[in-house]
Amino acid sequence: SQTIHQWPATLVQPVGSPLSLECTVEGTSNPNLYWYRQAAGRGLQLLFYSVGIGQISSEVPQNLSASRPQDRQFILSSKKLLLSDSGFYLCAWQGALNQPQHFGDGTRLSIL
Amino acid sequence: EDKVVQSPLSLVVHEGDTVTLNCSYEVTNFRSLLWYKQEKKAPTFLFMLTSSGIEKKSGRLSSILDKKELSSILNITATQTGDSAIYLCAGPNDMRFGAGTRLTVKP
Repeated sequence: SQTIHQWPATLVQPVGSPLSLECTVEGTSNPNLYWYRQAAGRGLQLLFYSVGIGQISSEVPQNLSASRPQDRQFILSSKKLLLSDSGFYLCAWQGALNQPQHFGDGTRLSIL
Repeated sequence: EDKVVQSPLSLVVHEGDTVTLNCSYEVTNFRSLLWYKQEKKAPTFLFMLTSSGIEKKSGRLSSILDKKELSSILNITATQTGDSAIYLCAGPNDMRFGAGTRLTVKP
């Protein structure tokens, strides 16, 4: 069966520091991969999605970037974090468009 | 730009009540509409709706799509405290989520 792993679960970083969040999927090949950010108690904002290795689409201009170095690995990065980058970051995989997405347990990021 | 709007944003009910959550969308190329439940961390999939007027049901939860009205509803009957969660509507292109409805069920 398919599983998705996200780490770390929580992270506290100072303003101006770099960021790397990792997401990996097991048990499936060539998934669509997604990064979302969720403000406290609210809906999900799509940040990036990828339909294949090296293929990244960005939804919102921002301080973040994403990479997909391997088929089942999706990384969210920043060179210099801002206070506004605080939030709950969720990774999701999808077998194909028009199928449900499956989410990881998320990373709660606090910027001090 | 595609848009998904959920209402109400927040709802407090007592155990045993029936609730109806709403989702409306604006779309250029509809494929499907999905409902998810988020309790603490990962949203979990509830329903995927592609055809108008066909009810999907799972236990006390049911959902239906109205393509003419560009909307969907999620019904929960005989609510329990375990139904307390944020309910998210997504679509029509699988990536656009509404703001969610926070449901609180009091004992």
